[in-house]
Amino acid sequence: GENVEQHPSTLSVQEGDSAVIKCTYSDSASNYFPWYKQELGKRPQLIIDIRSNVGEKKDQRIAVTLNKTAKHFSLHITETQPEDSAVYFCAASITTSGTYKYIFGTGTRLKVLA
Amino acid sequence: DGGITQSPKYLFRKEGQNVTLSCEQNLNHDAMYWYRQDPGQGLRLIYYSQIVNDFQKGDIAEGYSVSREKKESFPLTVTSAQKNPTAFYLCASSISGRGWSTDTQYFGPGTRLTVL
Repeated sequence: GENVEQHPSTLSVQEGDSAVIKCTYSDSASNYFPWYKQELGKRPQLIIDIRSNVGEKKDQRIAVTLNKTAKHFSLHITETQPEDSAVYFCAASITTSGTYKYIFGTGTRLKVLA
Repeated sequence: DGGITQSPKYLFRKEGQNVTLSCEQNLNHDAMYWYRQDPGQGLRLIYYSQIVNDFQKGDIAEGYSVSREKKESFPLTVTSAQKNPTAFYLCASSISGRGWSTDTQYFGPGTRLTVL
């Protein structure tokens, strides 16, 4: 079945360094790839997304890249700050029998060390 | 996502009891979703609904039931048939579930269910 693999499961970086989280999806028809940030006990919050007709998107310190051929997409956070510490989830859209839903990765716990 | 509410925030259930989790949205979204989150794991889809009076099973529907009688409401019932229901339950909604450009899902604050 369809799945999304996310790596690494945990990531520790020094404040100011960059962090990269990678996801691989299986359904070549996936056309939308959101990234969510979830703080402990809170709801996931959308931080950036990318559609299949775009290779890269940037929003201040956050960027996402998409390689459709390889079915990879990645989240890049530059100049990390302690408030970036959270769990990050990637997702890929899939369409099954005319219905549309997401498959989520298993999450990356990012720790930014001051 | 401030327009999606879930209640209660914490819920305790005895074994053998059914419980219902509430999800309401005032965003005029057509599509609504229920996810289950276990510690250290991703979000797994339980049920979803693209339109009123219609819903589909997700990947882990066994032991759960839903209804979609109103556009703004999508309650989830955790039945006694669900053998391991302790988890964090998240409701989400999107403008439509048809794969259009406005299909970003926004999440409610979640309900933490514990079986005693």
